[in-house]
Amino acid sequence: GAVVSQHPSWVICKSGTSVKIECRSLDFQATTMFWYRQFPKQSLMLMATSNEGSKATYEQGVEKDKFLINHASLTLSTLTVTSAHPEDSSFYICSAPAGQNYGYTFGSGTRLTVV
Amino acid sequence: QKEVEQNSGPLSVPEGAIASLNCTYSDRGSQSFFWYRQYSGKSPELIMSIYSNGDKEDGRFTAQLNKASQYVSLLIRDSQPSDSATYLCAVIRLYGNKLVFGAGTILRVKS
Repeated sequence: GAVVSQHPSWVICKSGTSVKIECRSLDFQATTMFWYRQFPKQSLMLMATSNEGSKATYEQGVEKDKFLINHASLTLSTLTVTSAHPEDSSFYICSAPAGQNYGYTFGSGTRLTVV
Repeated sequence: QKEVEQNSGPLSVPEGAIASLNCTYSDRGSQSFFWYRQYSGKSPELIMSIYSNGDKEDGRFTAQLNKASQYVSLLIRDSQPSDSATYLCAVIRLYGNKLVFGAGTILRVKS
């Protein structure tokens, strides 16, 4: 139990275009979803927290207009990287609290490459 | 001072040995503690969670928590080459639900 499905697993896009990443909780309701970014050989950096039915909360230094987060339902949260640039190339991972037995469950991650 | 500190390693141990991974945290009110394993290019997977002082064992893994010392550790017995990965310590503060990660310790198990 407690699975978060994340798609796509990898994407290559041209500079200036937008990319949408989806995370779905398959067997539990995720009222909160955390979005992380990880650069090579670095730890996970929390970008923002999305809550179903309300606006996302962004960490300091993260551009909310560039990283659009929508928590449309109790099972779906999306991150859209708008006007992507090569420096946005990274590994993006979502995570949701899934109860004390499961801790925080992570999606499989999305490798974004902007060319 | 970082909120969650780990030695980056790499920690090298021979196959079959015990690997000991350590983590300290700064927020004394932290209430939940997790160890995640992350293979290169993959997302983290939960190894252990611990919420109260003492030891918690699950198979070859033992998590130890000492809130007075603000210290949490992970022991891996009978280490296998497949245990080679980055181990992330994560903490949830008393007020809030954000998972705060340490930088991770690279473990290498040599056969």
